[in-house]
Amino acid sequence: ETGVTQTPRHLVMGMTNKKSLKCEQHLGHNAMYWYKQSAKKPLELMFVYSLEERVENNSVPSRFSPECPNSSHLFLHLHTLQPEDSALYLCASSQENDRADSPLHFGNGTRLTVT
Amino acid sequence: AQKITQTQPGMFVQEKEAVTLDCTYDTSDQSYGLFWYKQPSSGEMIFLIYQGSYDEQNATEGRYSLNFQKARKSANLVISASQLGDSAMYFCAMRGLQGGSEKLVFGKGTKLTVNP
Repeated sequence: ETGVTQTPRHLVMGMTNKKSLKCEQHLGHNAMYWYKQSAKKPLELMFVYSLEERVENNSVPSRFSPECPNSSHLFLHLHTLQPEDSALYLCASSQENDRADSPLHFGNGTRLTVT
Repeated sequence: AQKITQTQPGMFVQEKEAVTLDCTYDTSDQSYGLFWYKQPSSGEMIFLIYQGSYDEQNATEGRYSLNFQKARKSANLVISASQLGDSAMYFCAMRGLQGGSEKLVFGKGTKLTVNP
């Protein structure tokens, strides 16, 4: 298996639930990212990990909690979400975090609906 | 602050014709990278092409080419010989140095529809 894999593809959860999104990259990259894509808005960067260390937290509410146990895996733990958190959540990886010429490679995303 | 502007919410093109998707950017960085991504209805963001700010030649990748005009701060994507499978959202993005981390900033996208 190659590329960036995200599970689940779709998730429906209530506001009191706890769930986790999973991302796995098979590209040997050193950096991983979580992006949020809402309707009619540009992609929003949420978190950046470089060599398993969080280097960016883009003012994301604490109900979103990332975890990067190793350079190949990235999780986004969700709890007590709000309906406005419904969106497509995209995971990405890149060879380096700090180079302008290093493209990001994205997964298929998890379509999250909060009811 | 960095900003990407895509002024075309939607574009239509006939199959086998060429189409240009516009992108302008704003940055104070001297060194930066410009990217185009394709997002089909399935949701995956597919990397298409990259242009470095110091590259003198326009980037090309198969049917994709990037018309880079640095003085105008534009990085338009040209798709030649459009195919039905090219129907998707297209995002222009830029990566430059912001606070020590090379963030990728996206435009709002252009929805391309290829008609048979």
